[in-house]
Formats: sequence, C-alpha cells, structure tokens
Amino acid sequence: DTEVTQTPKHLVMGMTNKKSLKCEQHMGHRAMYWYKQKAKKPPELMFVYSYEKLSINESVPSRFSPECPNSSLLNLHLHALQPEDSALYLCASSRTAGSPFFGPGTRLTVL
Amino acid sequence: DAKTTQPNSMESNEEEPVHLPCNHSTISGTDYIHWYRQLPSQGPEYVIHGLTSNVNNRMASLAIAEDRKSSTLILHRATLRDAAVYYCIRFQGAQKLVFGQGTRLTINP
Repeated sequence: DTEVTQTPKHLVMGMTNKKSLKCEQHMGHRAMYWYKQKAKKPPELMFVYSYEKLSINESVPSRFSPECPNSSLLNLHLHALQPEDSALYLCASSRTAGSPFFGPGTRLTVL
Repeated sequence: DAKTTQPNSMESNEEEPVHLPCNHSTISGTDYIHWYRQLPSQGPEYVIHGLTSNVNNRMASLAIAEDRKSSTLILHRATLRDAAVYYCIRFQGAQKLVFGQGTRLTINP
C-alpha cells in the first residue's frame, strides 16, 4: 500500500459545526503533515507530527485542532470555522527524513 | 527567505523537451532541492530531488548548478499529462517542506 487516503473528499459545514478530517497511511511512515491550499495558491504547511507527537505548528488558529492517535492515522478537528477557511486540506506522510507523499485532499467549504 | 524563484508560467509542445528553471541563491549546504508537481484537482506528486549532482529517474532529470544556486527540471518528452503546476522546493530538513509559487506548465498538442 503506497498511498495516503483522505476522507471525506468534500465537506460543507456551517460556522457553528464541529467536523473532522481524516487521513490514513500504511507505509510505515512516522511523519505526518497537514497542509492548507487556497485556490490558485501553493500549499501552506499547518502542522507536522513526528512519531505521533506534534513537532511543528505554523501558528495555526486554535479552531484547527490536529490529533495523531497512532502511527497510521492523522485527524484534523474543525470547530467554529470562518468562510475564509474554505480550502483544500492536504495530508501527507513521509519517513522521518524523506520526501512527503500527499493524499488527494479534502475540499472544505464553510458557509 | 527560504523560498525559491520560478517563472510563473511556461508553455511547450507535446513530445518536445521541457526545461523548468529554479533559482535558490540562498540555499544552504545541507538543503535538498525537491520538485513536486500538482495536476488539477489532485494533491502534489513527488517528481525528483537532489543535493549536489545531477539526478535521473523515470519521470524526469534534475540538473543542479555547480554552485547550487539554481537547478533545472528536465522533462525529456512532454505529454499532455505533464500539464501541471511544478514546484521547486528547498527542503530545510526537520520535515519542513515549504512551497513557493510554482510554474504553471501548459503543453500544446
């Protein structure tokens, strides 16, 4: 298995909703990442987990809450989002010093 | 600034070689140069990476200048499926892969 899967593919939520994005990989990678990508812009790094511990937080607002429950899973919990948070959310994984593999992303729309 | 400099867009013809340039004049000695590409509605896809010497794989070649201040991604024979945004990235280590603006490559039939 050489891929990163993300669910759901699309998500529409209101500003008062709580939702979660999920990411899974079975490549034995011990680093996992969340990126945010707005339309026609490059991906922006949000969080990095290394060995299930948060190692990088790029000053992301607290309405985004990452979680890494085990070495294969990465979640991004969403609460009280704003319309400007609408974007493609990309998950990636890698060996600790390797090139990240990206998933297809979850396209999030906040109404 | 840790980001790289690339042309905003380039155009080429199908079955011709494509040379995508990247400037990284402030690169440090331990930074790898990575190239990713992103097709429409997909996540970024790894293409190739290198440190000092030229690299080849089944997708492309990477030519790195001797002073490491620039590099060129070479697609030997472009196809329509190579139309994408190509990102040249300095990998700063500590798992911090930071994307620049990228080059939008258009391939004409």
